[in-house]
Amino acid sequence: QSALTQPASVSGSPGQSITISCTGTSSDVGGYNYVSWYQQHPGKAPKLMIYEVSNRPSGVPDRFSGSKSGNTASLTISGLQAEDEADYYCSSYTSSSTFVVFGGGTKLTVL
Amino acid sequence: EVQLVQSGAEVKKPGESLKISCKGSGYSFTSYWIGWVRQMPGKGLEWMGIIYPGDSDTRYSPSFQGQVTISADKSISTAYLQWSSLKASDTAMYYCARRGGSSWFLDYWGQGTLVTVSS
Repeated sequence: QSALTQPASVSGSPGQSITISCTGTSSDVGGYNYVSWYQQHPGKAPKLMIYEVSNRPSGVPDRFSGSKSGNTASLTISGLQAEDEADYYCSSYTSSSTFVVFGGGTKLTVL
Repeated sequence: EVQLVQSGAEVKKPGESLKISCKGSGYSFTSYWIGWVRQMPGKGLEWMGIIYPGDSDTRYSPSFQGQVTISADKSISTAYLQWSSLKASDTAMYYCARRGGSSWFLDYWGQGTLVTVSS
């Protein structure tokens, strides 16, 4: 069982918006602004999409946005495109000796 | 351009030892932590541990403490992940990734090293 809880799957049609949630505790998501999101296409390495809750690295489209409320972080993708179909993982710093925890991942299907 | 290049796929037998590598370039290797992440077939990402190549300060996830050894050779800008006695359950893709400065995210990733352990 992963430390952070994500829905196993979400789907949306091209042009629509979807939101993926990531629920943790006050020891990780809720306690620090160190939530990050990664996109992974099949057979590829993960790619950083959002860091420190809501910041986008250079080159990531502004269709991707992140937020946090309490112990739950969210990744929103607006104007869905076919190439957004991938697995998405959230991650957070944790005060436990692990330092970093990941969510179980969410498979995004673009219908 | 920041790059992390990992060593190639490995096929090993249970009980054998293995050391895989991750070579950094395009940045000051000694100034950024390097983390290791496991992804078992069809599964999610798991945090294994992290090393600061500047002084080899290493932290392990409790799940991997004692199961693997993380090291680095700063003279050749390379981090390592090694096993002394592989098990079939070590079959997975292993990624190295650079920690983004003093924050807690992984900004650059290696391409992954597939380790297959089978008799």
